[in-house]
Amino acid sequence: RKEVEQDPGPFNVPEGATVAFNCTYSNSASQSFFWYRQDCRKEPKLLMSVYSSGNEDGRFTAQLNRASQYISLLIRDSKLSDSATYLCVVNIPNSGYALNFGKGTSLLVTP
Amino acid sequence: DAGVTQSPTHLIKTRGQQVTLRCSPKSGHDTVSWYQQALGQGPQFIFQYYEEEERQRGNFPDRFSGHQFPNYSSELNVNALLLGDSALYLCASSSPGLGGHEQYFGPGTRLTVT
Repeated sequence: RKEVEQDPGPFNVPEGATVAFNCTYSNSASQSFFWYRQDCRKEPKLLMSVYSSGNEDGRFTAQLNRASQYISLLIRDSKLSDSATYLCVVNIPNSGYALNFGKGTSLLVTP
Repeated sequence: DAGVTQSPTHLIKTRGQQVTLRCSPKSGHDTVSWYQQALGQGPQFIFQYYEEEERQRGNFPDRFSGHQFPNYSSELNVNALLLGDSALYLCASSSPGLGGHEQYFGPGTRLTVT
């Protein structure tokens, strides 16, 4: 079983749509959770950290359910510029600051 | 404020050769991690350097080695290259005092082994 699993995608949505990505992680000792965004042939960029209480940054909302070991990302009012691969990321426990990445979910927002 | 920089951007090597990739962390960061990203996959953790020592290592063979210099920059060395080593190699920097798990990535070095 992979340490971090994500919806395989791709997700094709029209501009203005709301889209949700899901992710599960296997190690209950993980303490830090993130969503990264990666554009084609570019480096991953930190989109947002995910906190137990849930957090929002503009059109983006992240949720964490530690009991279910489940993380989600909601994007409202999708823009063309949101087209990218979204990576669910979880820290590797007892490893300093090493991170485990999911395979990523591809999003294409169309006009 | 300079971000994470990596060199070279692209590299083509032959199977069996050796390669060295370089990384300079973001200003104020002292921890460097290296990741390998194969096509269609998420990045895989190789190892992490802090205070010029390898602190953590992922599931990679000894052919992968590294170094960190006093100015926090780092090198990744891969010996006896295999075709399967073809990937994007990403360097990420962070700092324990600045939310260590939030890592910032460089643009990567795309390595092709033929």
